[in-house]
Amino acid sequence: DVKVTQSSRYLVKRTGEKVFLECVQDMDHENMFWYRQDPGLGLRLIYFSYDVKMKEKGDIPEGYSVSREKKERFSLILESASTNQTSMYLCASRGDGETQYFGPGTRLLVL
Amino acid sequence: QKEVEQNSGPLSVPEGAIASLNCTYSDRGSQSFFWYRQYSGKSPELIMSIYSNGDKEDGRFTAQLNKASQYVSLLIRDSQPSDSATYLCAVNTGNQFYFGTGTSLTVIP
Repeated sequence: DVKVTQSSRYLVKRTGEKVFLECVQDMDHENMFWYRQDPGLGLRLIYFSYDVKMKEKGDIPEGYSVSREKKERFSLILESASTNQTSMYLCASRGDGETQYFGPGTRLLVL
Repeated sequence: QKEVEQNSGPLSVPEGAIASLNCTYSDRGSQSFFWYRQYSGKSPELIMSIYSNGDKEDGRFTAQLNKASQYVSLLIRDSQPSDSATYLCAVNTGNQFYFGTGTSLTVIP
């Protein structure tokens, strides 16, 4: 079974803090994705990576950056957290097939 | 126009009935289609994938794809209360997945 894990299930941060969200997959997948999910807006792609040290912007990259130093790990960074970044953050990975497998999600609250 | 559109519902069906969920997409070049189920507070989990026109059955679930009309549907037979969740349609276009906003389904015992 594919396993995607995320570093935290719940996180509370203050405005202006730098926030790190980590995602690890154990299936040697090349492709990894970060989404945020908000009521009424669905899943929106922030960034994705198709290889180590490679990254591509998704639909809403502003205010975020990513890092992929190792194949199994994909980190999302909020450089200076703002209240409008309060959301559920979902990491996903995909191998040679087309199915994306999701981690459990991190619910982030920015005060 | 959104890439993927779903009726947000909520959709309510009695236990044992057939639930029908629909999804339309805008890119005619899309090749693969997915249905995910998401329980409240949880992450999406894959139920079905479909790549060719027609029906694909897996247990109580049937996915239907019509590329000419650009729609994909999910039928859930003998609906159970445990099927109550939000169902997300996803379409793979090029190297990107596009998700619908989901349809909320409630199965009433």
